[in-house]
Amino acid sequence: DAGVTQSPTHLIKTRGQQVTLRCSPKSGHDTVSWYQQALGQGPQFIFQYYEEEERQRGNFPDRFSGHQFPNYSSELNVNALLLGDSALYLCASSLGLAGGMNEQFFGPGTRLTVL
Amino acid sequence: GNSVTQMEGPVTLSEEAFLTINCTYTATGYPSLFWYVQYPGEGLQLLLKATKADDKGSNKGFEATYRKETTSFHLEKGSVQVSDSAVYFCALVMLSGGYNKLIFGAGTRLAVHP
Repeated sequence: DAGVTQSPTHLIKTRGQQVTLRCSPKSGHDTVSWYQQALGQGPQFIFQYYEEEERQRGNFPDRFSGHQFPNYSSELNVNALLLGDSALYLCASSLGLAGGMNEQFFGPGTRLTVL
Repeated sequence: GNSVTQMEGPVTLSEEAFLTINCTYTATGYPSLFWYVQYPGEGLQLLLKATKADDKGSNKGFEATYRKETTSFHLEKGSVQVSDSAVYFCALVMLSGGYNKLIFGAGTRLAVHP
Protein backbone atom coordinates (compact mmCIF):
# COMPACT_ATOMS: atom_id res chain seq x y z
CA ASP A 1 0.00 0.00 0.00
CA ALA A 2 1.64 3.20 -1.20
CA GLY A 3 1.74 6.02 1.25
CA VAL A 4 1.59 9.69 0.39
CA THR A 5 3.81 10.52 -2.57
CA GLN A 6 5.02 13.92 -3.72
CA SER A 7 6.80 15.17 -6.79
CA PRO A 8 9.27 16.47 -7.56
CA THR A 9 11.68 15.79 -4.71
CA HIS A 10 13.69 18.93 -5.26
CA LEU A 11 13.10 22.04 -7.33
CA ILE A 12 15.11 25.17 -8.03
CA LYS A 13 13.39 28.29 -9.35
CA THR A 14 14.20 31.98 -9.67
CA ARG A 15 12.31 34.91 -8.24
CA GLY A 16 9.14 35.78 -10.12
CA GLN A 17 8.68 32.32 -11.59
CA GLN A 18 5.75 30.01 -10.96
CA VAL A 19 5.89 26.47 -9.57
CA THR A 20 3.53 23.49 -9.33
CA LEU A 21 3.97 20.75 -6.76
CA ARG A 22 2.05 17.48 -6.84
CA CYS A 23 0.72 15.10 -4.24
CA SER A 24 -0.96 11.71 -4.36
CA PRO A 25 -2.73 10.76 -1.13
CA LYS A 26 -2.54 7.46 0.68
CA SER A 27 -4.86 4.87 -0.80
CA GLY A 28 -8.39 5.35 0.51
CA HIS A 29 -7.86 8.92 1.67
CA ASP A 30 -9.92 11.76 0.26
CA THR A 31 -8.61 14.86 2.04
CA VAL A 32 -5.32 16.62 1.28
CA SER A 33 -3.63 19.32 3.33
CA TRP A 34 -0.54 21.31 2.39
CA TYR A 35 2.07 22.67 4.79
CA GLN A 36 5.14 24.87 4.38
CA GLN A 37 8.16 24.07 6.54
CA ALA A 38 10.87 26.71 6.52
CA LEU A 39 14.34 25.66 7.58
CA GLY A 40 14.50 25.10 11.32
CA GLN A 41 10.79 25.74 11.80
CA GLY A 42 7.67 23.68 12.28
CA PRO A 43 5.26 23.15 9.41
CA GLN A 44 2.73 25.94 8.76
CA PHE A 45 -0.72 25.09 7.41
CA ILE A 46 -1.39 26.44 3.91
CA PHE A 47 -4.78 24.97 2.95
CA GLN A 48 -6.91 21.84 2.88
CA TYR A 49 -8.88 20.25 0.04
CA TYR A 50 -11.87 17.96 0.25
CA GLU A 51 -14.30 17.04 -2.52
CA GLU A 52 -12.26 19.15 -4.93
CA GLU A 53 -12.83 22.34 -2.95
CA GLU A 54 -10.60 24.40 -0.69
CA ARG A 55 -12.18 23.95 2.74
CA GLN A 56 -9.95 26.09 4.90
CA ARG A 57 -6.89 28.20 4.51
CA GLY A 58 -4.01 29.36 6.64
CA ASN A 59 -2.36 32.76 6.64
CA PHE A 60 -0.86 32.61 3.16
CA PRO A 61 -1.28 35.11 0.30
CA ASP A 62 -3.31 34.47 -2.82
CA ARG A 63 -0.08 33.64 -4.67
CA PHE A 64 -0.58 30.22 -3.13
CA SER A 65 -3.36 28.29 -4.80
CA GLY A 66 -4.29 24.69 -5.18
CA HIS A 67 -6.44 22.13 -6.83
CA GLN A 68 -7.80 18.70 -6.06
CA PHE A 69 -8.66 16.24 -8.79
CA PRO A 70 -11.44 13.62 -8.88
CA ASN A 71 -8.90 10.93 -7.97
CA TYR A 72 -8.13 12.96 -4.79
CA SER A 73 -4.61 13.91 -5.90
CA SER A 74 -3.71 17.55 -5.45
CA GLU A 75 -1.50 20.33 -6.75
CA LEU A 76 -0.03 23.33 -4.99
CA ASN A 77 0.75 26.32 -7.19
CA VAL A 78 2.84 29.29 -6.15
CA ASN A 79 3.04 32.35 -8.41
CA ALA A 80 5.52 35.21 -8.41
CA LEU A 81 8.01 33.32 -6.30
CA LEU A 82 9.89 35.16 -3.57
CA LEU A 83 13.12 34.20 -1.86
CA GLY A 84 11.09 33.62 1.30
CA ASP A 85 9.12 30.87 -0.42
CA SER A 86 12.15 28.60 -0.17
CA ALA A 87 11.04 25.76 2.09
CA LEU A 88 10.05 22.11 2.33
CA TYR A 89 6.47 21.71 1.18
CA LEU A 90 4.65 18.85 2.83
CA CYS A 91 1.46 17.19 1.72
CA ALA A 92 -0.68 15.26 4.20
CA SER A 93 -3.68 13.07 3.52
CA SER A 94 -6.50 11.86 5.72
CA LEU A 95 -9.92 10.28 5.47
CA GLY A 96 -12.76 12.71 5.82
CA LEU A 97 -12.54 16.04 7.51
CA ALA A 98 -12.74 16.69 11.19
CA GLY A 99 -14.68 13.70 12.39
CA GLY A 100 -12.67 11.74 14.92
CA MET A 101 -9.57 13.89 14.47
CA ASN A 102 -8.51 11.58 11.67
CA GLU A 103 -4.76 11.07 11.52
CA GLN A 104 -2.92 12.92 8.80
CA PHE A 105 -0.25 10.95 6.94
CA PHE A 106 2.62 12.99 5.54
CA GLY A 107 4.61 12.64 2.35
CA PRO A 108 8.40 13.13 2.17
CA GLY A 109 8.00 16.68 0.90
CA THR A 110 9.27 18.77 -1.99
CA ARG A 111 12.28 20.95 -1.30
CA LEU A 112 11.83 24.26 -3.15
CA THR A 113 14.76 26.62 -3.49
CA VAL A 114 14.16 30.10 -4.89
CA LEU A 115 17.25 31.94 -6.14
CA GLY B 1 -4.83 32.30 18.97
CA ASN B 2 -3.85 28.67 19.17
CA SER B 3 -0.15 27.92 19.46
CA VAL B 4 2.44 25.38 20.58
CA THR B 5 5.73 26.09 22.33
CA GLN B 6 8.54 23.55 22.54
CA MET B 7 11.85 23.60 24.32
CA GLU B 8 14.68 24.70 22.10
CA GLY B 9 17.20 22.21 20.86
CA PRO B 10 19.38 20.62 20.10
CA VAL B 11 19.10 18.09 22.88
CA THR B 12 22.21 15.92 23.03
CA LEU B 13 22.15 12.70 25.03
CA SER B 14 24.15 9.54 25.45
CA GLU B 15 22.56 6.23 24.59
CA GLU B 16 20.31 4.86 27.36
CA ALA B 17 19.81 8.31 28.92
CA PHE B 18 16.38 9.58 29.96
CA LEU B 19 14.67 11.99 27.57
CA THR B 20 12.24 14.81 28.24
CA ILE B 21 11.14 17.30 25.61
CA ASN B 22 8.83 19.96 26.98
CA CYS B 23 5.73 21.13 25.12
CA THR B 24 3.09 23.61 26.22
CA TYR B 25 0.11 24.86 24.29
CA THR B 26 -2.35 27.73 24.14
CA ALA B 27 -5.80 26.97 22.83
CA THR B 28 -9.35 28.23 23.08
CA GLY B 29 -11.15 25.02 23.83
CA TYR B 30 -9.96 21.45 24.15
CA PRO B 31 -7.55 20.40 21.44
CA SER B 32 -6.18 16.99 20.61
CA LEU B 33 -2.41 16.79 21.05
CA PHE B 34 0.20 14.99 18.99
CA TRP B 35 3.91 14.28 18.79
CA TYR B 36 5.37 13.83 15.31
CA VAL B 37 8.91 12.73 14.46
CA GLN B 38 10.91 13.68 11.39
CA TYR B 39 13.94 11.57 10.50
CA PRO B 40 16.57 13.08 8.18
CA GLY B 41 15.29 13.36 4.62
CA GLU B 42 11.84 12.07 5.47
CA GLY B 43 8.37 13.41 6.07
CA LEU B 44 6.61 13.57 9.41
CA GLN B 45 5.46 10.42 11.16
CA LEU B 46 2.89 10.36 13.93
CA LEU B 47 4.58 9.14 17.11
CA LEU B 48 1.70 9.34 19.60
CA LYS B 49 -1.46 11.25 20.38
CA ALA B 50 -3.93 12.10 23.16
CA THR B 51 -7.42 13.38 22.60
CA LYS B 52 -8.56 14.47 26.08
CA ALA B 53 -7.22 15.56 29.44
CA ASP B 54 -5.28 12.93 31.42
CA ASP B 55 -4.96 10.67 28.38
CA LYS B 56 -1.51 9.12 27.99
CA GLY B 57 -0.25 8.47 24.49
CA SER B 58 2.53 5.91 24.04
CA ASN B 59 4.49 4.30 21.22
CA LYS B 60 7.96 2.76 20.75
CA GLY B 61 8.88 3.49 24.37
CA PHE B 62 7.86 7.15 24.12
CA GLU B 63 5.00 8.52 26.17
CA ALA B 64 3.26 11.83 26.86
CA THR B 65 0.37 12.77 29.14
CA TYR B 66 -2.22 15.45 28.28
CA ARG B 67 -2.20 17.83 31.26
CA LYS B 68 -5.01 20.36 31.02
CA GLU B 69 -4.12 22.09 34.31
CA THR B 70 -0.62 22.95 33.06
CA THR B 71 -1.52 23.00 29.33
CA SER B 72 1.38 20.65 28.69
CA PHE B 73 2.18 17.50 26.72
CA HIS B 74 5.80 16.66 27.52
CA LEU B 75 7.46 13.81 25.63
CA GLU B 76 9.46 11.26 27.63
CA LYS B 77 11.45 8.11 27.01
CA GLY B 78 13.26 6.12 29.64
CA SER B 79 16.22 4.96 27.56
CA VAL B 80 17.03 6.57 24.22
CA GLN B 81 18.83 4.87 21.34
CA VAL B 82 21.00 6.27 18.57
CA SER B 83 18.15 5.48 16.18
CA ASP B 84 15.94 7.98 18.05
CA SER B 85 18.01 10.86 16.67
CA ALA B 86 15.52 13.03 14.79
CA VAL B 87 13.47 16.22 15.05
CA TYR B 88 10.40 15.99 17.26
CA PHE B 89 7.36 18.21 16.76
CA CYS B 90 4.55 18.81 19.20
CA ALA B 91 1.24 19.72 17.57
CA LEU B 92 -2.39 20.35 18.32
CA VAL B 93 -5.59 20.03 16.34
CA MET B 94 -8.62 22.22 16.86
CA LEU B 95 -11.98 21.69 15.27
CA SER B 96 -12.99 24.81 13.37
CA GLY B 97 -16.25 24.96 11.52
CA GLY B 98 -16.15 21.23 11.05
CA TYR B 99 -12.60 21.12 9.73
CA ASN B 100 -9.29 20.42 11.38
CA LYS B 101 -5.73 21.58 10.84
CA LEU B 102 -2.50 20.83 12.63
CA ILE B 103 -0.66 23.62 14.47
CA PHE B 104 2.97 22.71 15.08
CA GLY B 105 5.67 23.84 17.45
CA ALA B 106 9.07 24.80 16.05
CA GLY B 107 10.52 21.36 16.65
CA THR B 108 13.27 20.01 18.91
CA ARG B 109 16.28 18.26 17.43
CA LEU B 110 17.50 15.22 19.39
CA ALA B 111 20.99 13.82 18.88
CA VAL B 112 21.85 10.56 20.66
CA HIS B 113 25.49 9.48 20.81
CA PRO B 114 26.77 5.94 21.45
